[in-house]
Amino acid sequence: DAGITQSPRHKVTETGTPVTLRCHQTENHRYMYWYRQDPGHGLRLIHYSYGVKDTDKGEVSDGYSVSRSKTEDFLLTLESATSSQTSVYFCAISEPTLKRGYSGNTIYFGEGSWLTVV
Amino acid sequence: DQQVKQNSPSLSVQEGRISILNCDYTNSMFDYFLWYKKYPAEGPTFLISISSIKDKNEDGRFTVFLNKSAKHLSLHIVPSQPGDSAVYFCAAMKNSGYALNFGKGTSLLVTP
Repeated sequence: DAGITQSPRHKVTETGTPVTLRCHQTENHRYMYWYRQDPGHGLRLIHYSYGVKDTDKGEVSDGYSVSRSKTEDFLLTLESATSSQTSVYFCAISEPTLKRGYSGNTIYFGEGSWLTVV
Repeated sequence: DQQVKQNSPSLSVQEGRISILNCDYTNSMFDYFLWYKKYPAEGPTFLISISSIKDKNEDGRFTVFLNKSAKHLSLHIVPSQPGDSAVYFCAAMKNSGYALNFGKGTSLLVTP
């Protein structure tokens, strides 16, 4: 358990409406991520953050914005939701790992937010 | 451009036998490789990882093998159990990076 909470867990919204997904972590991790998962695509990075007010784009960032005003919260906003943004969204954090066979960062995921845009 | 490839969308194995899941990558800058397991309606769960300086890492029933020259890694599960039925994602990360590149996943079914 990486102490990640996503909200809402499920949401149905109409095309053109704004939507914000929240990721909250309790363990002071510096790096946070938003991924989306779609059939046939695996998980794709939307945006990530490497500190308060420090964010960068991932491979599928169009149509999304993020904000991180405090360490524990990373918000993903769809300014004007489209049907192509119907997906499962996963927040994640990165934690340094040092153990036999592996010394690097390990990324841990939240439980997901299911978003349907109708 | 898919830099991490899992070419088998699905795999079926009998309980007690070995499951072998394969993964290929194209970017020689990847230094860290991780496997995740995902059940429906849950987030991906970290399973096992390996650094590029190693060629094998094991944790209980799970072993990951890395062949850097072939840009290939595999996950072995021995013995396979019905509870192992899930989608398995291979992922890779550069030494200088902090984000993972994922494959599309392999759905494993372990039958009794």
